[in-house]
Amino acid sequence: LAKTTQPISMDSYEGQEVNITCSHNNIATNDYITWYQQFPSQGPRFIIQGYKTKVTNEVASLFIPADRKSSTLSLPRVSLSDTAVYYCLVGDPRGLQTGANNLFFGTGTRLTVIP
Amino acid sequence: NAGVMQNPRHLVRRRGQEARLRCSPMKGHSHVYWYRQLPEEGLKFMVYLQKENIIDESGMPKERFSAEFPKEGPSILRIQQVVRGDSAAYFCASSPRLRQGVEKETQYFGPGTRLLVL
Repeated sequence: LAKTTQPISMDSYEGQEVNITCSHNNIATNDYITWYQQFPSQGPRFIIQGYKTKVTNEVASLFIPADRKSSTLSLPRVSLSDTAVYYCLVGDPRGLQTGANNLFFGTGTRLTVIP
Repeated sequence: NAGVMQNPRHLVRRRGQEARLRCSPMKGHSHVYWYRQLPEEGLKFMVYLQKENIIDESGMPKERFSAEFPKEGPSILRIQQVVRGDSAAYFCASSPRLRQGVEKETQYFGPGTRLLVL
């Protein structure tokens, strides 16, 4: 599974746009990029997933350059409730390579939104 | 549509006792995954199961840990003779059956069981 590198922590003021970048230099052809959000004492929650270019949903946007060696999660106008740990994961969700479908979580980025 | 259910939410055991953690996947999901999370760390994959089958247990410790997902009932993660190092949050996730031509399958996580070994 491809290893990911992301900042350990970030601070942002309420109402600002937050961009969290993840590096995944060894991403494989079949790998997708998935972001999860985890609040204290809760399980991770799926935010967004993409393969290339740009993906947008009601929560966030995901930007993936052509070489796919990095990706950026963009959270528009964050609020205090967005304070959480954000995990970038890279893997083949279909499990075609390993027959499995597990996710590799790094240490994540701890986002703190300040009033 | 209920999400992934885990119970108990908190479990306290003394060293040497057994811990049983239960996970009921989302309705219609036939794949279950177990992860362990130590404080201030990310989740670590333990085991991946389908109904009555263990597909991948590469993350499971070789001794004292076992998992099952019977035809009927919840998936169970069992830890025998617990030690203090087993104290952690254990998360279960589920996903639907992998389907031909579907490019992505998301895992849905439960609230976790926090195990404390005294």
